[in-house]
Amino acid sequence: DAMVIQNPRYQVTQFGKPVTLSCSQTLNHNVMYWYQQKSSQAPKLLFHYYDKDFNNEADTPDNFQSRRPNTSFCFLDIRSPGLGDAAMYLCATSIGQGGTYEQYFGPGTRLTVT
Amino acid sequence: AQSVTQLGSHVSVSEGALVLLRCNYSSSVPPYLFWYVQYPNQGLQLLLKYTSAATLVKGINGFEAEFKKSETSFHLTKPSAHMSDAAEYFCAVSDQTSYDKVIFGPGTSLSVIP
Repeated sequence: DAMVIQNPRYQVTQFGKPVTLSCSQTLNHNVMYWYQQKSSQAPKLLFHYYDKDFNNEADTPDNFQSRRPNTSFCFLDIRSPGLGDAAMYLCATSIGQGGTYEQYFGPGTRLTVT
Repeated sequence: AQSVTQLGSHVSVSEGALVLLRCNYSSSVPPYLFWYVQYPNQGLQLLLKYTSAATLVKGINGFEAEFKKSETSFHLTKPSAHMSDAAEYFCAVSDQTSYDKVIFGPGTSLSVIP
């Protein structure tokens, strides 16, 4: 089945220790998104790629970076995690132009910062 | 700025009772509208979408929603609640400044009482 895959599902890192979360998709979608979701809140968009074009949200901290080396993969790098970065991180995809703009989500990576 | 409101952060219904989750949006242009469901420790799953075709939209798991332009509403209903419907529900509207993005409502947590 075509899907969005996130690894790992659970990640523990230490305060200030860089961490990378990964996302892959078999849907061949043009757009890939990274969201941060804290408990009992809606997902908050960090950034998204339309093909290779990177779109950063204005309020995304510089501590968060992303890479999309090819259509299938996208990575979220947190350079110096703080306690406030503990959250669920969701990757999503959409077809892009010509589609109906619904997004397909992966299962998420729950990040714990100790 | 566009926004989505969901009346009631927590809704409880008895098993077999009608489920009604409310969503109102603001948009100056015809929007795309979505309902997503999120089970604990999982990603979001699309329940249904409105894309300017029929105003009554049927989705998965017996859910449906009706687009009412005059009321700027897109309420989600299900005739008979099942225990497995207990989850978080998010209404979302396409961002008119960037259709690649959506604006999520704050979410409604649905509890189903046996």
